[in-house]
Amino acid sequence: AQTVTQSQPEMSVQEAETVTLSCTYDTSENNYYLFWYKQPPSRQMILVIRQEAYKQQNATENRFSVNFQKAAKSFSLKISDSQLGDTAMYFCASNFGNEKLTFGTGTRLTIIP
Amino acid sequence: GAVVSQHPSWVICKSGTSVKIECRSLDFQATTMFWYRQFPKQSLMLMATSNEGSKATYEQGVEKDKFLINHASLTLSTLTVTSAHPEDSSFYICSAGGLTYNQPQHFGDGTRLSIL
Repeated sequence: AQTVTQSQPEMSVQEAETVTLSCTYDTSENNYYLFWYKQPPSRQMILVIRQEAYKQQNATENRFSVNFQKAAKSFSLKISDSQLGDTAMYFCASNFGNEKLTFGTGTRLTIIP
Repeated sequence: GAVVSQHPSWVICKSGTSVKIECRSLDFQATTMFWYRQFPKQSLMLMATSNEGSKATYEQGVEKDKFLINHASLTLSTLTVTSAHPEDSSFYICSAGGLTYNQPQHFGDGTRLSIL
């Protein structure tokens, strides 16, 4: 079975600090994409960052970066210099080589002023 | 770019009525769209894959006669909740997948459905 697991239901961090959200997955596919989506209280799903599995270089988008360990099937998200606007639910997801997305259960991140 | 518009954003209706939710890709063509359901404080659950010009593919456990999906053009998919009941109350989100699997899905803003 292809699964995405987020083991941290909730996290909180002081503003300006760095926080890392964990994600592991399971698949027998070799080519796939991994994504982190953010869902703020407005509930719109916003793509934060994506990683191609066949690329070894970790993706970065401004304050957001990932630590992709393909052999360990791990895909963590690091948020640097956290801001109040980063408060949201964060979902890890993968398409596992097809069009469908499989989501993790989410991590509720709160940035404390 | 890659904007997906979903309408309405919130609907309240009486039990027994049918509700139609629209999902439009505004600046790109989407041969495939997806419909999700999300319960409070939970993840997104894929309900069905909507394919332009053909029947939708429903996930296991989703009643196709309850949740009717139509994808008549490359920019519009609709989800109709038929004879809605309070247990159908939920947050419904659509996404458009683009023409290739490696394009990220872009999501609509969601529809909060409340059945009285």
